[in-house]
Amino acid sequence: NAGVMQNPRHLVRRRGQEARLRCSPVKGHSHVYWYRQLPEEGLKFMVYLQKENIIDESGMPKERFSAEFPKEGPSILRIQQVVRGDSAAYFCASSPRDESAFFGQGTRLTVV
Amino acid sequence: EDQVTQSPEALRLQEGESSSLNCSYTVSGLRGLFWYRQDPGKGPEFLFTLYSAGEEKEKERLKATLTKKESFLHITAPKPEDSATYLCAVQARRGGSNYKLTFGKGTLLTVNP
Repeated sequence: NAGVMQNPRHLVRRRGQEARLRCSPVKGHSHVYWYRQLPEEGLKFMVYLQKENIIDESGMPKERFSAEFPKEGPSILRIQQVVRGDSAAYFCASSPRDESAFFGQGTRLTVV
Repeated sequence: EDQVTQSPEALRLQEGESSSLNCSYTVSGLRGLFWYRQDPGKGPEFLFTLYSAGEEKEKERLKATLTKKESFLHITAPKPEDSATYLCAVQARRGGSNYKLTFGKGTLLTVNP
């Protein structure tokens, strides 16, 4: 999992600000997944993307959250107008196909 | 809805004291069952994938087994460096959407020297 790079590792935002989380998958991996880990909860699936396509966003809140995986550059998870309940660890994973996923070290978002 | 339940929530062992972690699952067509290890402040580290009942996989002091309803992670003669949270996840077989992992809440293992 050392190949999946996420930044920043820690992010502090005030309520109402925007948070942008970046994920560079393992070189050669074209499938990217975002998961959220709330305190005392298990990892929850949010969204699955392939280059320039959102395949499944069924786990994403309907409002304020969006994700992209452009042709060039990292995948971005964007949270607009953050609220305290958005505080969590956000993990990105990648795979070459729809199989074993390797995770990054995560971005820990704190909303104050 | 896919469900994964891990037990116990926490386990404390003495170094060298072997034990097992349990993962019970409900899924409509299992494509794979995954075990990960997660250290504090880190991302999940892949350990094993099991695909069919009766399958076993080993890595150092860890051995994972699978039945039609549960998986066990056996830890033989653990060392303090095995201390971590162990996560179990299932992947369902659903047409073209064979990718989502449904995770349990994990078992926090502490191995005392």
